Amino acid sequence: QQQVKQSPQSLIVQKGGISIINCAYENTAFDYFPWYQQFPGKGPALLIAIRPDVSEKKEGRFTISFNKSAKQFSLHIMDSQPGDSATYFCAAKRPLETSGSRLTFGEGTQLTVNP
Amino acid sequence: KAGVTQTPRYLIKTRGQQVTLSCSPISGHRSVSWYQQTPGQGLQFLFEYFSETQRNKGNFPGRFSGRQFSNSRSEMNVSTLELGDSALYLCASSLRTSSYNEQFFGPGTRLTVL
Repeated sequence: QQQVKQSPQSLIVQKGGISIINCAYENTAFDYFPWYQQFPGKGPALLIAIRPDVSEKKEGRFTISFNKSAKQFSLHIMDSQPGDSATYFCAAKRPLETSGSRLTFGEGTQLTVNP
Repeated sequence: KAGVTQTPRYLIKTRGQQVTLSCSPISGHRSVSWYQQTPGQGLQFLFEYFSETQRNKGNFPGRFSGRQFSNSRSEMNVSTLELGDSALYLCASSLRTSSYNEQFFGPGTRLTVL
């Protein structure tokens, strides 16, 4: 059972454009929603994360928008750069006392930013 | 501060063999989680170890096992390898003092089963 659905599977954006990746979750017990960036040959690295008590979080060019009622959240990359070309994963996590450090990941989005 | 290290980085085995992968967490991190990454299934949680005890387990067969040592280093073992076990195996470490602790991933071990 895929508890976190991510779209699109791949995305091509021109340099300077906005990249938008969407995720939807089913389990309302999730209380932490991180986004990870993975480059070839590397492990995923935390990009930005949000808790469900806020609707938006911005860090530099990266913004998470969170819609608790719709059980959806999205990553916006403003002024996309070729160096942003990577695979992006959304994830969700339940409270520590429920399932420890376990992350449930979306399927991933391969982002290509053309120069 | 050194990151999460995994050894070996690449491994080639044949069906039926067994394999042991190693993960050294960031100093001070006592939680180590293991994930399997494949093109078809994405990132799937295998298990988590904290204070030398398995705390959570994903939906994988019993051929997948692990352990954690007193220095928090962890090993993962896969017995009776199958072709479908070919994957990138990632470990992640965290402080595990809060639900919101960042998890830091290692570069992974690429396992190929022939």
